[in-house]
Amino acid sequence: ILNVEQSPQSLHVQEGDSTNFTCSFPSSNFYALHWYRWETAKSPEALFVMTLNGDEKKKGRISATLNTKEGYSYLYIKGSQPEDSATYLCAFTYGGSQGNLIFGKGTKLSVKP
Amino acid sequence: DVKVTQSSRYLVKRTGEKVFLECVQDMDHENMFWYRQDPGLGLRLIYFSYDVKMKEKGDIPEGYSVSREKKERFSLILESASTNQTSMYLCASSWVGTGGGSPLHFGNGTRLTVT
Repeated sequence: ILNVEQSPQSLHVQEGDSTNFTCSFPSSNFYALHWYRWETAKSPEALFVMTLNGDEKKKGRISATLNTKEGYSYLYIKGSQPEDSATYLCAFTYGGSQGNLIFGKGTKLSVKP
Repeated sequence: DVKVTQSSRYLVKRTGEKVFLECVQDMDHENMFWYRQDPGLGLRLIYFSYDVKMKEKGDIPEGYSVSREKKERFSLILESASTNQTSMYLCASSWVGTGGGSPLHFGNGTRLTVT
């Protein structure tokens, strides 16, 4: 059974703290790694899609790295703000460009002002 | 911006009813998906479609069927609703396959309660 593990499950930080989460996935038959942010009462929103080993992507204060050989990705948030509070989902596609996208259970981030 | 619209935000149905969840996207995306979200579990794929009239089973297709008669519309059907189908249902679409680097665009979700 293919599994995507995210850690930690939840995280409470103070405004201004920097933080990072981990996503682990099977390294074989890899096609793409996705990160989504899901705020309460909204729909999940794509942050990054990465396909190449060593990829690094950045969007404002949020960045992500990818290691397909060892099967992990990190998401970093620099200087967390209350509006960063959300559940961050990681997912990976295996088995082809039309392959199945398997989601992790998410990391729930709460940022206190 | 891509818009994915789900017909209902909240739905309450009785056990045994036939339930239709509708999803429409406005960006001519090839692929459409239905997921369900339950507490403590990740998003789980029910069905997906990569073309009109085409469908593929996901991880948990039992008790569900789908219909894609037009490119922009993907319907999820609960043939005979049961209480274990109480869940949040999310529809999504993508330009090409997610393995090709295309992100999912999600609707706002339908919270279905089966009593």
